[in-house]
Amino acid sequence: EEHLVESGGALVQPGGSLRLSCAASGFTFSSFWMHWVRQAPGEGLVWVSRINSDGSSINFADSVKGRFTISRDNAKNTLYLQMNSLRAEDTAVYYCTRGRLGGYGMDVWGQGTTATVSS
Amino acid sequence: SSELTQPPSVSVSPGQTASITCSGDKLGDYYACWYQQKPGQSPVLVIYQNSKRPSGIPERFSGSKAGNTATLTISGTQAMDEADYYCQAWDSSHVFGTGTKVTVL
Repeated sequence: EEHLVESGGALVQPGGSLRLSCAASGFTFSSFWMHWVRQAPGEGLVWVSRINSDGSSINFADSVKGRFTISRDNAKNTLYLQMNSLRAEDTAVYYCTRGRLGGYGMDVWGQGTTATVSS
Repeated sequence: SSELTQPPSVSVSPGQTASITCSGDKLGDYYACWYQQKPGQSPVLVIYQNSKRPSGIPERFSGSKAGNTATLTISGTQAMDEADYYCQAWDSSHVFGTGTKVTVL
C-alpha cells in the first residue's frame, strides 16, 4: 500500500527555520512529481511547492518564494521542505502529496505534520 | 486571496443530489480536480481531469466543467459524504478553491 509519512514539525520562533521530511513507501518514488500543501488552523488548503521526479523542475507559491526550498532524495525515497525566515502566517499542518502519474490531481496524501511559528 | 470561488456551504437531504460549483478564470484553460476532507483527516482526491473518478471513489461522485465553472455533483448523498470539498485548478500554481462545507441534514 502506498504511504507518505511526514515529520519535522515543531514550535519555532518567528525568523527561525524548520526542515520537514516525507518518507514514501509502497510505490516507485522516483517516478512521481511530489508536492507540499498546507492548511492553517480552521482554514482551507493552500498549495506550497512542487518538484518533478528527478528534482530538475521546481515551483513555489508566491507566499513562500525565496524563503522555502524543496528537494528530494530518490535513493532514500524522501521529500524535504526547508522553511527559513518563518512567519506567524506559516503556522499550519503541512501535507506531503503525490502527483498522479500523467498529471492532474494529488492521489496520495500523508497525515500531515504541524509547524507552529510563535514567540 | 484564492482565485477559485466556491459557495461556503451546501445543505442536502439524504438521498438527494448536492451540487458544488467552483468558478475562476483559470478553469477556462486548465483541468479541475476535487478533494474531500473529513474532520481531522487528510484530503482525498475524488475527481481529476474535470470528470474522472480515481479507483475506489463511489459512482455517486461526478464532475463536469463548462467554461470557467467546474461542478462536483454527489447523487444519492449519504451521511458519510458530509465533509469539506475543495476544487483545484491544475496549472503551474495549483491553486485551491475556497472550500465548501457539505451538510447532510
